[in-house]
Amino acid sequence: GENVEQHPSTLSVQEGDSAVIKCTYSDSASNYFPWYKQELGKRPQLIIDIRSNVGEKKDQRIAVTLNKTAKHFSLHITETQPEDSAVYFCALLDNYGQNFVFGPGTRLSVLP
Amino acid sequence: DAMVIQNPRYQVTQFGKPVTLSCSQTLNHNVMYWYQQKSSQAPKLLFHYYDKDFNNEADTPDNFQSRRPNTSFCFLDIRSPGLGDAAMYLCATSAARYNEQFFGPGTRLTVL
Repeated sequence: GENVEQHPSTLSVQEGDSAVIKCTYSDSASNYFPWYKQELGKRPQLIIDIRSNVGEKKDQRIAVTLNKTAKHFSLHITETQPEDSAVYFCALLDNYGQNFVFGPGTRLSVLP
Repeated sequence: DAMVIQNPRYQVTQFGKPVTLSCSQTLNHNVMYWYQQKSSQAPKLLFHYYDKDFNNEADTPDNFQSRRPNTSFCFLDIRSPGLGDAAMYLCATSAARYNEQFFGPGTRLTVL
């Protein structure tokens, strides 16, 4: 099946700094790449997504970049705030283009 | 408000005693998913329905079954829960296969 790697597994930043999380994949027909934020005890919520016909998408402090040739996509959070602390999951469709596979997650801690 | 609802939010069952978890949606989405999420892990897809078309993941145990009697409702049946089935069970919906998924709040299952 599809192998999705996500790095780092944990990330601590000072409030106001930027955070970058990267996902790489091996062999996917996916053309849709979402990022989810999951706070402790809560449901995953979509924060941003990108389709393969674009290389970058930005929404206020959050941006996603996609490099289909190199098979990686990254989440960028600028001006981090304590409420950004959560686990972040990347996802993509498996190599049959049927179902979503989630990355293992990154626990982000924003220190005040 | 349109949403994905899961009942119950917390379920305690005994080893081997069948349990049913329910999910309903007011979004009128075609696709409904069931995920299992264990502590500190990513959600793992168990199965999904595209309309009435049932799709089972290859590694989903036979102990897990699902029903979708109509567009709005989907059920997860665990025929003989084991200790290893204790987890958060998340239901999600999307308008189409490659679209944003909306997650319910989850049902936390405890097996005694």
